[in-house]
Amino acid sequence: GQNIDQPTEMTATEGAIVQINCTYQTSGFNGLFWYQQHAGEAPTFLSYNVLDGLEEKGRFSSFLSRSKGYSYLLLKELQMKDSASYLCAVRDWYGNNRLAFGKGNQVVVIP
Amino acid sequence: DAGVTQSPTHLIKTRGQHVTLRCSPISGHKSVSWYQQVLGQGPQFIFQYYEKEERGRGNFPDRFSARQFPNYSSELNVNALLLGDSALYLCASSRGWVKAGGPAYEQYFGPGTRLTVT
Repeated sequence: GQNIDQPTEMTATEGAIVQINCTYQTSGFNGLFWYQQHAGEAPTFLSYNVLDGLEEKGRFSSFLSRSKGYSYLLLKELQMKDSASYLCAVRDWYGNNRLAFGKGNQVVVIP
Repeated sequence: DAGVTQSPTHLIKTRGQHVTLRCSPISGHKSVSWYQQVLGQGPQFIFQYYEKEERGRGNFPDRFSARQFPNYSSELNVNALLLGDSALYLCASSRGWVKAGGPAYEQYFGPGTRLTVT
């Protein structure tokens, strides 16, 4: 089975940097995804990590440590449109695309 | 190119009724997965289909069933609806199926169907 844990909510100021953490326990790990979900909308893909280290994509970066079962998503130069829920999802080893999602972390950006 | 499409957008049903939700994947994608997202929670995996075969099933009762058609579109059926089935039902399409340990295919989510059971 899998267990994914994320903090529930955080508030940050426009232009700031925010880090969203995700810890996971899984019987077989084969990749971690980060998705952004605005209220009432579908999740949209942000990043994917399967090896340890940092992946950078513009204002968003994601880090993975497999030995610690830990990932974070870093959002830089926050904009009002970044107010959303950020979901961490783990893919297991066993030959499918099944994703196990955390509850999501609600980020509220204020002026 | 069109993204993943789902119908209907919203649906209201009463307890005990049956519902069918539909999904059309991105052109060229052969795998469809279904997720249930209850308010305030992350999506929970229900089913995955690839090439019209079930390739994975989550921890949901037998009231939930699905199928995939030759054109790769998919239906999710839920029988004997309960109040707790009220949720956003998401369909995700991906290019294919990978063997154990293989690279991940990115999943693209549709806009979802909001089901309310009263």
